[in-house]
Amino acid sequence: KNEVEQSPQNLTAQEGEFITINCSYSVGISALHWLQQHPGGGIVSLFMLSSGKKKHGRLIATINIQEKHSSLHITASHPRDSAVYICAVSQGGSEKLVFGKGTKLTVNP
Amino acid sequence: DSGVTQTPKHLITATGQRVTLRCSPRSGDLSVYWYQQSLDQGLQFLIQYYNGEERAKGNILERFSAQQFPDLHSELNLSSLELGDSALYFCASSFGLAGVVGEQFFGPGTRLTVL
Repeated sequence: KNEVEQSPQNLTAQEGEFITINCSYSVGISALHWLQQHPGGGIVSLFMLSSGKKKHGRLIATINIQEKHSSLHITASHPRDSAVYICAVSQGGSEKLVFGKGTKLTVNP
Repeated sequence: DSGVTQTPKHLITATGQRVTLRCSPRSGDLSVYWYQQSLDQGLQFLIQYYNGEERAKGNILERFSAQQFPDLHSELNLSSLELGDSALYFCASSFGLAGVVGEQFFGPGTRLTVL
């Protein structure tokens, strides 16, 4: 079993839909990271959080430490949101990242 | 643009060869991380350097080595290359304050193809 599990693996949505991607982890963490990987391969850090909720534009990330679960929400999705979204955790005091397998999101116009 | 640069962007080489991947961190960042992304294994942590010293090691093969220089740029050396080493190699950087987990900023990656 992977230490970081994401669901769904693939997600197709229509433009304007509300999107939720889930991440569960089985280890103690110091922080959880949401990353976006564009079709060209580049990786962008979206959020780093250790508690509560963060919002940036149409993106919202939440984390429940007790349940070892995080969600990434995209409101009013747009075709340019099409990418792979990767959940990663920093375990304990370590800064190295352990990654989920990613969720491939396709938003159709 | 994350401020992290990696060269080269693409590298095609043959089995048994040796290559060097280069990374320059964001200005002010002291930590450099190397990650490998392959189709079958996904993203995996290889190694971390902080201010010239190795800080953490992950699933890095003995054929691979890295170093961080006084100007903080880092190089990842891959030798005796095998077909399975074909992957995207990412460098990331963070400020790296001891005991504090910081956001990591990723470079554009080097795509290595071993033929």
